[in-house]
Amino acid sequence: QKEVEQDPGPLSVPEGAIVSLNCTYSNSAFQYFMWYRQYSRKGPELLMYTYSSGNKEDGRFTAQVDKSSKYISLFIRDSQPSDSATYLCASNTGNQFYFGTGTSLTVIP
Amino acid sequence: EAQVTQNPRYLITVTGKKLTVTCSQNMNHEYMSWYRQDPGLGLRQIYYSMNVEVTDKGDVPEGYKVSRKEKRNFPLILESPSPNQTSLYFCASSFGTTHSPLHFGNGTRLTVT
Repeated sequence: QKEVEQDPGPLSVPEGAIVSLNCTYSNSAFQYFMWYRQYSRKGPELLMYTYSSGNKEDGRFTAQVDKSSKYISLFIRDSQPSDSATYLCASNTGNQFYFGTGTSLTVIP
Repeated sequence: EAQVTQNPRYLITVTGKKLTVTCSQNMNHEYMSWYRQDPGLGLRQIYYSMNVEVTDKGDVPEGYKVSRKEKRNFPLILESPSPNQTSLYFCASSFGTTHSPLHFGNGTRLTVT
């Protein structure tokens, strides 16, 4: 079983839709959770990070962590064509980082 | 500009010919690591380094070497590349591993024939 599981999609939504991206993890020692966005031919860039259960909001993005069910979510409100990218969830324990396989999102104008 | 720089961006080589992919960061980060990204498998950690002269294996270290002689540089060495090492490679750095996100380079696409 992979440390972090993510639905690969692809996901296609109309502009303005609310997008929900989800991951599950298996390691109870994970404390620090991240969402990265990766555009084609680019390295992943950090979008959001949270340390504890609950919600964290940044503009149109909300990261949610539920440690009791080991579930991580990213919500994108009022999605834009520029949000079209691959989204990676990640966590770490000690010195090692673990990533989901990524969900490909396309926002159609 | 704060960044992680990898070179080269693209590399085509033949089986068995030693190669080095360079990685440099200008943020005075202590932690650096290498990943490979493959379709369906996502990002997998190859090696990481907590500081100068301190390196350790990640999940997929076989066939790779690293060194950390200076804080800013963390080269990835393939002594005898094989076709199964064809992949997209990323270097990343951070101040530490808690409350400190990874900053990634733009990747090196390696093809081994």
